[in-house]
Amino acid sequence: TQLLEQSPQFLSIQEGENLTVYCNSSSVFSSLQWYRQEPGEGPVLLVTVVTGGEVKKLKRLTFQFGDARKDSSLHITAAQPGDTGLYLCAGTFSRGTYKYIFGTGTRLKVLA
Amino acid sequence: NAGVTQTPKFRVLKTGQSMTLLCAQDMNHEYMYWYRQDPGMGLRLIHYSVGEGTTAKGEVPDGYNVSRLKKQNFLLGLESAAPSQTSVYFCASRPLQARGGRAHEQFFGPGTRLTVL
Repeated sequence: TQLLEQSPQFLSIQEGENLTVYCNSSSVFSSLQWYRQEPGEGPVLLVTVVTGGEVKKLKRLTFQFGDARKDSSLHITAAQPGDTGLYLCAGTFSRGTYKYIFGTGTRLKVLA
Repeated sequence: NAGVTQTPKFRVLKTGQSMTLLCAQDMNHEYMYWYRQDPGMGLRLIHYSVGEGTTAKGEVPDGYNVSRLKKQNFLLGLESAAPSQTSVYFCASRPLQARGGRAHEQFFGPGTRLTVL
């Protein structure tokens, strides 16, 4: 059974600070997605990474996929209150699959 | 486009009662999913469908049944509800192919909050 572990579980920071959250697996990902979920809503996709070592940037968010494709990180620069939410990673473990395993999530609160 | 809609938004059941959750999508997506979300456990896949008339089990299928008689609808049934099924249920859909780097993007509905007493 593949498991995704996310850390930290909770994070409370001041506006303007930087932060990094992590997603780790004991298995090799075929692809990995990062989602953000706000209270009372469903998750919304931020990014998909598929190539080991890949780095993608989305404004102040930087996503990195580990060289061995077993881990990923999400770095937020100069966090804003609007970044508050639950960050979820999700992965597939074989090419052409359509089943996704989600991590347990990192709940981020950015204080003004 | 309404995207993915879920009915109902809230429901309270007594142990042993049955109910059906309805998911509808208007994006002509092939794949549809049912997840449950519990505190500290992320999203867990209950059942999924890769096309009209097909269904398959996910991680936690016990106590649930599904049907996909029409491409746009995916129904989740609880035949005899138990308190352990108290959760927030999310439906999602995904196209067969995605463009513009949005591969594997699932589109989620707003969720159904179910309480079983």
